[in-house]
Amino acid sequence: DSGVTQTPKHLITATGQRVTLRCSPRSGDLSVYWYQQSLDQGLQFLIQYYNGEERAKGNILERFSAQQFPDLHSELNLSSLELGDSALYFCASSEGGQGETEAFFGQGTRLTVV
Amino acid sequence: AQKITQTQPGMFVQEKEAVTLDCTYDTSDPSYGLFWYKQPSSGEMIFLIYQGSYDQQNATEGRYSLNFQKARKSANLVISASQLGDSAMYFCAMRGLFFGNEKLTFGTGTRLTIIP
Repeated sequence: DSGVTQTPKHLITATGQRVTLRCSPRSGDLSVYWYQQSLDQGLQFLIQYYNGEERAKGNILERFSAQQFPDLHSELNLSSLELGDSALYFCASSEGGQGETEAFFGQGTRLTVV
Repeated sequence: AQKITQTQPGMFVQEKEAVTLDCTYDTSDPSYGLFWYKQPSSGEMIFLIYQGSYDQQNATEGRYSLNFQKARKSANLVISASQLGDSAMYFCAMRGLFFGNEKLTFGTGTRLTIIP
């Protein structure tokens, strides 16, 4: 058990809908990262939050947004869903300091858009 | 920009043999970290081992060791005495070590199959 909790584990929804993925980081970790894993794009970094503030942005679509709350849990919101958004979405957390030697992932949320 | 290259899409290895998974990288960062993750068919990403670019010695964690050759920009994972449970996808990844550059960049992965 990595200590990073993601809910839900599976999600099936229709095109055009909006979903929210939730992540609780390991105790004490201030940084949360979101990644998308799809068959055609591989593992792609989406966005990073550190202690409630956005710290880095990757290949995140405008239809997607995220935030980190005061209790450090994070949510990834995906709207106007398309078939191509079907993927495994991972959250990872780390302490947030420089030179870290660990990065632990949650079990992922498998999103299927039909 | 950082780039990770894994040139072995798939490998088949006899149980109890050692296996080396290749990883080369490219970066302009002066300091960086290299990671290996295992992804079994259940989908979770399991952290295996870490190597810092400044580390003089190769990292080891149980049956896993990282063969780090900085001049060649390679960070190969060695699994000794392979087991059936080692069958999985393996990803090499790297990150910068400074503010705002901590995201992981992943390779395309190698699917390892252990044959009984």
